[in-house]
Amino acid sequence: NAGVTQTPKFQVLKTGQSMTLQCAQDMNHEYMSWYRQDPGMGLRLIHYSVGAGITDQGEVPNGYNVSRSTTEDFPLRLLSAAPSQTSVYFCASSRSGQGYGYTFGSGTRLTVV
Amino acid sequence: GESVGLHLPTLSVQEGDNSIINCAYSNSASDYFIWYKQESGKGPQFIIDIRSNMDKRQGQRVTVLLNKTVKHLSLQIAATQPGDSAVYFCAERDNYGQNFVFGPGTRLSVLP
Repeated sequence: NAGVTQTPKFQVLKTGQSMTLQCAQDMNHEYMSWYRQDPGMGLRLIHYSVGAGITDQGEVPNGYNVSRSTTEDFPLRLLSAAPSQTSVYFCASSRSGQGYGYTFGSGTRLTVV
Repeated sequence: GESVGLHLPTLSVQEGDNSIINCAYSNSASDYFIWYKQESGKGPQFIIDIRSNMDKRQGQRVTVLLNKTVKHLSLQIAATQPGDSAVYFCAERDNYGQNFVFGPGTRLSVLP
């Protein structure tokens, strides 16, 4: 099993550009989420999904869009990149229900110039 | 609101010594806690978890202690090794039971 796969690993964008960060998991996990990690601020939840066709906002959703058309994939779209979105992005998945922790991907380091 | 914090942002220990990483949480209703380890350039990895109906749980070289009275969580690593050098995060499940709130992390450095 590959676990949680994120692509790309690194990306540089110009302000105003759009792009999609890909996330795929092969563990048949119902729950998936996106976090951003900034220095000294830990991990902050952007969006999450409890199953195909269901998404919801987290703590910092502005400027990001998600969809969940399949159980395996949960892409994160940046609509119009801003320097404040420079961060490391992590996708995570888990089984639904109580008592399950996350499996994280290896991250995407995004720089917006 | 909910928040999870750490007392010490950086911890340096000698190889072979025991390490203790602390975490304070604010949501007294939280029922599930996890410790994660994040090595440089990698995503966080699950270390150990504990439910609120327990006060101690042990794994291989790691122990998590939960004190609900003072809303305090700690991670103890026995016989710390160079491979333990990483940033450690505590996380608590939120009120809705689906997401976790993460603290800012503690960097553990193991000295030779």
